[in-house]
Amino acid sequence: DTAVSQTPKYLVTQMGNDKSIKCEQNLGHDTMYWYKQDSKKFLKIMFSYNNKELIINETVPNRFSPKSPDKAHLNLHINSLELGDSAVYFCASSSWLPGDTEAFFGQGTRLTVV
Amino acid sequence: AQSVTQLDSQVPVFEEAPVELRCNYSSSVSVYLFWYVQYPNQGLQLLLKYLSGSTLVKGINGFEAEFNKSQTSFHLRKPSVHISDTAEYFCAVSQRETSGSRLTFGEGTQLTVNP
Repeated sequence: DTAVSQTPKYLVTQMGNDKSIKCEQNLGHDTMYWYKQDSKKFLKIMFSYNNKELIINETVPNRFSPKSPDKAHLNLHINSLELGDSAVYFCASSSWLPGDTEAFFGQGTRLTVV
Repeated sequence: AQSVTQLDSQVPVFEEAPVELRCNYSSSVSVYLFWYVQYPNQGLQLLLKYLSGSTLVKGINGFEAEFNKSQTSFHLRKPSVHISDTAEYFCAVSQRETSGSRLTFGEGTQLTVNP
């Protein structure tokens, strides 16, 4: 049973389109994240939500809008896609408790903008 | 703020040889330390973590790492690698006493194990 699942796994779309990536976790965690992995495999946090509340927003263009309908789901909507948005996007979840530190990652969504 | 430096972007080794992947970090606050592995076209899997206590940490798949506070290092080692260890390895830190698990990653080390 998958702990953190993302859909779709692959997404190819044209510049200017709007797309969404969905993420769900069944670990009972109250904190979820979006990370971006660029073409050089560098990973950087984009957003973090705790109990549906935005905690971290790391200087991400406002074309990216996360939405958390409940603490088990965190979706990422991207407007007006650009070539530079091509990357692998990872969803992750963890506990909010200090010291309970392990983050669990989804399989990633490879977004290609053409 | 914290940063992580992985000193080798690529490490090629032969099967059954020992390997060390190097990681140094910088932080103004105390941190937790992690190593994650990413197999091709897959997500990240935790190999091991250092929270406190013994500075030698054992993880999955025969890997271990040693925390050295004075050198601010957390190098990953395996005494004998297998072909299946070929993957990208990431060192990461998160702040102690902070809720959640916001991770700052290094740039990754591609380990390639050759027959």
